[in-house]
Amino acid sequence: GDSVTQMEGPVTLSEEAFLTINCTYTATGYPSLFWYVQYPGEGLQLLLKATKADDKGSNKGFEATYRKETTSFHLEKGSVQVSDSAVYFCALIPRDSASKIIFGSGTRLSIRP
Amino acid sequence: ETGVTQSPTHLIKTRGQQVTLRCSSQSGHNTVSWYQQALGQGPQFIFQYYREEENGRGNFPPRFSGLQFPNYSSELNVNALELDDSALYLCASSSKIHNQETQYFGPGTRLLVL
Repeated sequence: GDSVTQMEGPVTLSEEAFLTINCTYTATGYPSLFWYVQYPGEGLQLLLKATKADDKGSNKGFEATYRKETTSFHLEKGSVQVSDSAVYFCALIPRDSASKIIFGSGTRLSIRP
Repeated sequence: ETGVTQSPTHLIKTRGQQVTLRCSSQSGHNTVSWYQQALGQGPQFIFQYYREEENGRGNFPPRFSGLQFPNYSSELNVNALELDDSALYLCASSSKIHNQETQYFGPGTRLLVL
């Protein structure tokens, strides 16, 4: 079945460091891909999305590119801030089903001042 | 534009009891999905409601049931609570009218079953 695999955390970086969180997926056809962020004690917020191959989603300095050939959607940011500390979830919606989001297990990111 | 709201924010129940969680969808959205997020895990899809009908269900037993009302708000009911039902329950709304598949989440209800 469809699934999402993302790098295990926790990831700890210093402020202004470069961030990459790896995400790969398994799906039939071409799903839509998402990154959601969950700040402590809160629900999920949509960070960015891409709906077809080679699309780049971006928001708040974060970027991810839909790579069909490697079935990947890695999250990157050039210079992280303390306020980026959160749990990040990679997710997909299968092309044949707009009903459900399939999430990865999440990556906890901590940024040191 | 109001976002997705959920009530209550926290709830404590004992094993065997029943619980009802509530969700109000974002303005203009006609579809509500429910997810269960166990501690340290990603959310798992429970089911989705569209136009008051169930429109897809995940791998959850029948004691998890739901409703959607004409104003598109929704309820999640869980009967015969088990300890493993302790989790954060998230509601998300979206709009199928414009084939909008992006789902927007509420803050969640944290359920503890003792």
